[in-house]
Amino acid sequence: AQKVTQAQTEISVVEKEDVTLDCVYETRDTTYYLFWYKQPPSGELVFLIRRNSFDEQNEISGRYSWNFQKSTSSFNFTITASQVVDSAVYFCALSGDTGTASKLTFGTGTRLQVTL
Amino acid sequence: DVKVTQSSRYLVKRTGEKVFLECVQDMDHENMFWYRQDPGLGLRLIYFSYDVKMKEKGDIPEGYSVSREKKERFSLILESASTNQTSMYLCASSPPGIPKDYGYTFGSGTRLTVV
Repeated sequence: AQKVTQAQTEISVVEKEDVTLDCVYETRDTTYYLFWYKQPPSGELVFLIRRNSFDEQNEISGRYSWNFQKSTSSFNFTITASQVVDSAVYFCALSGDTGTASKLTFGTGTRLQVTL
Repeated sequence: DVKVTQSSRYLVKRTGEKVFLECVQDMDHENMFWYRQDPGLGLRLIYFSYDVKMKEKGDIPEGYSVSREKKERFSLILESASTNQTSMYLCASSPPGIPKDYGYTFGSGTRLTVV
């Protein structure tokens, strides 16, 4: 069975601080896909990134960066110089490569509050 | 712009009522999903469908059923609503097979309150 753990329930930071959201996963699949989604107060989940299990290269997109480490089964997300608009719930998710429908297994989410 | 549309943003129903939550996608996706979101529990899969008239149970199907008569529409049915089904319900769709770069496309959610 697949499992995603986001141990941080809620994080509060002051604007311009850096913040890292942790994600640890479990899967028996040799090929799998990891995702991060953002859920702002409006409710709709917004896709941020997908990472394949066979590509351990870290990625940077503007203020966002992701650190994928297969050895520790982690896929952590860092926001540099956080802004108030980053306030949201962030979900890490995992999908395998089997079956007719690729089901996403989500973590419980981390609520990030960025204040002035 | 591709979209997944959920018919209601907010819904209040009485205990025992039969409730229909509707979801329509315009991307010609084969796969459609219903999740419920609760604080501290994240998103949990209720049912999914990978083709018209096909459905499979997710992790928490009890108290729910689904209908997929047309490719673009996936309905979630609460046979007899109960207060513990008060939740945010999210619909999603995706093409078949290996997840695309964006994973799923989500609707905006329906916040259901059962009183």
